[in-house]
Order: sequence, then structure tokens, then C-alpha cells
Amino acid sequence: KQEVTQIPAALSVPEGENLVLNCSFTDSAIYNLQWFRQDPGKGLTSLLLIQSSQREQTSGRLNASLDKSSGRSTLYIAASQPGDSATYLCAVRPQRDSNYQLIWGAGTKLIIKP
Amino acid sequence: NAGVTQTPKFQVLKTGQSMTLQCAQDMNHNSMYWYRQDPGMGLRLIYYSASEGTTDKGEVPNGYNVSRLNKREFSLRLESAAPSQTSVYFCASRTGSSYNEQFFGPGTRLTVL
Repeated sequence: KQEVTQIPAALSVPEGENLVLNCSFTDSAIYNLQWFRQDPGKGLTSLLLIQSSQREQTSGRLNASLDKSSGRSTLYIAASQPGDSATYLCAVRPQRDSNYQLIWGAGTKLIIKP
Repeated sequence: NAGVTQTPKFQVLKTGQSMTLQCAQDMNHNSMYWYRQDPGMGLRLIYYSASEGTTDKGEVPNGYNVSRLNKREFSLRLESAAPSQTSVYFCASRTGSSYNEQFFGPGTRLTVL
């Protein structure tokens, strides 16, 4: 059974630092992996989606990498800002699933201190 | 475009009461989903609907029922609420592309006393 883990559960860093969030999964047979952002009291916003054949995706200050063989993905945030404070979740779509179900990590709560 | 909308935003129920959570999307998506999110855990799929007229169980369907009323609307019903159903409920819809991008509503925070 696919399991997704995100460590640490919470992270606090000063503004301006570069930081890395981690996501690991137990079964390398995935179709893709997504990173989402969740703001308090709001829904989830998709940040980046990496297909299983890709190694990384970039959007602005965000860069997500995928190492399928080791079951790991990282989300790199450059020059962090207070507005980046949110909970970041990763989710994988198992390869054998035909219904587009996602398996989710519990998230990393990120606080950027001004 | 409103995207995915959910009502209500907050609800408090007593054990044994029933209620329906409403979800609608205006993006012409075929697939819709209901998740619950509990503290310290990832989202868990309750039910999904791959297309209008079809529904299937997800990981945690017990205690819930769903209705795909039409292409836009997908409702989640709690027939007899229990304290274990206290959670935040999210509705999502999916694009038809192979990229599987899901769009989420703002959530409903439900407390069962």
C-alpha cells in the first residue's frame, strides 16, 4: 500500500532563506506527484506537478524534484517571503490506479519570520 | 468563473443529526471528489464520481453517501453524524487531461458534538 510521508511536520525560518521541503513515498510505481499549498481556512492550490518521467519542474521561486527510484521529492523555495507561510502538501497518483486517486502526505507547516 | 464552491463553510451538528454538504463546479469537469482532512493526517478520499451518473467508494466511505446530481454538482450526506466525523471536508474536481490536476473548494469545517 502506498504511503506518503512529509518531514518535518513544521518548519520556521527567517525571511530570505532558501529552504527545502521533503516528501517520501513507499512505492516507486507512481504516475505523477503534485505539490499543493494550503492557506488557513482555504482550499488547496496546486503548485507543481511532476510526471513520473520528469526529474523536476519549476515555477518562479519554486522548484520541485523527483527521484522515483529512491521514493523522494523535494520542494525548493528560493528567497523565502512571509507570504510563503502556509502548509505544503505532496500527493502521488499511483501508477496502477485508473481513477486518478491521490495519496496524500500530512503536510509541512511552513512559517517565514519577517 | 467561481471554480469549486462548497456550502456551508462551517457547521455544528449533534450526534445522530443528518446533513448534506453541497459542492458545485463551473469548469465543466467530469470527475469530482470528496475528501476529509484530519489533524496530522493527509487528505483521505471518501467518495468520487468519475462522470455524471457514477459514484465510487474511496478509502473511508463508511457513514457517508453521495449524489452526483448533474455534471456540476456533487453532494455528500451524513445520515447519522458521529463525533468521529468531525473534520474539514474538501470537494475537488479534475481536469480531463492526463495531468490529473485537481481543483479544490474552500472546505467545510464540521463539528459533531
